[in-house]
Amino acid sequence: IAGITQAPTSQILAAGRRMTLRCTQDMRHNAMYWYRQDLGLGLRLIHYSNTAGTTGKGEVPDGYSVSRANTDDFPLTLASAVPSQTSVYFCASSPGGLAGEKNTGELFFGEGSRLTVL
Amino acid sequence: SQQGEEDPQALSIQEGENATMNCSYKTSINNLQWYRQNSGRGLVHLILIRSNEREKHSGRLRVTLDTSKKSSSLLITASRAADTASYFCATDVKETSYDKVIFGPGTSLSVIP
Repeated sequence: IAGITQAPTSQILAAGRRMTLRCTQDMRHNAMYWYRQDLGLGLRLIHYSNTAGTTGKGEVPDGYSVSRANTDDFPLTLASAVPSQTSVYFCASSPGGLAGEKNTGELFFGEGSRLTVL
Repeated sequence: SQQGEEDPQALSIQEGENATMNCSYKTSINNLQWYRQNSGRGLVHLILIRSNEREKHSGRLRVTLDTSKKSSSLLITASRAADTASYFCATDVKETSYDKVIFGPGTSLSVIP
């Protein structure tokens, strides 16, 4: 079934540790996004990528980094985790992404990665 | 501050009743979308309405958009217990470098059988 796969589903890790959340899509979408979801705050954009080889900062990028080596994969890395990064992380993709390019705007989401930093 | 904010934060209704959720936003948009999230799952796209549209239907869903008031509403008719979920509005703001989709904090809907 086509879609977005995230891993791990959940993880507990100690503060200061490095962690990479994986995201893979098989829909050949250009744009990919990482959001975090916290109670009462909705979803906040961490980083995005319009197309392979490019990335950009969203609303809350500090403490996170991303890479987009190819169309399918968009990993999110926490270099040194802190307790405030405890959250549920969602990866999403959309067909378009470049300014002026036809894009329905619809986002396709993965099932999320629940991260707890102690 | 949030670009989109839903109202109410929580809504509880009886099965068969209609549920109405509202969304207000601050800046100009290309389109507005509604998403649904079941507990512990990812978000699922429900419906998209473009800035030049005023009303759109999809099954039991009806969405309205008033760009002069910067507001939208989602109506679910003849609600079912299975409609219990959180509902989010998301505004698509055209940035120079990417299509920025900003989510509100959501409305939690409980449909009581």
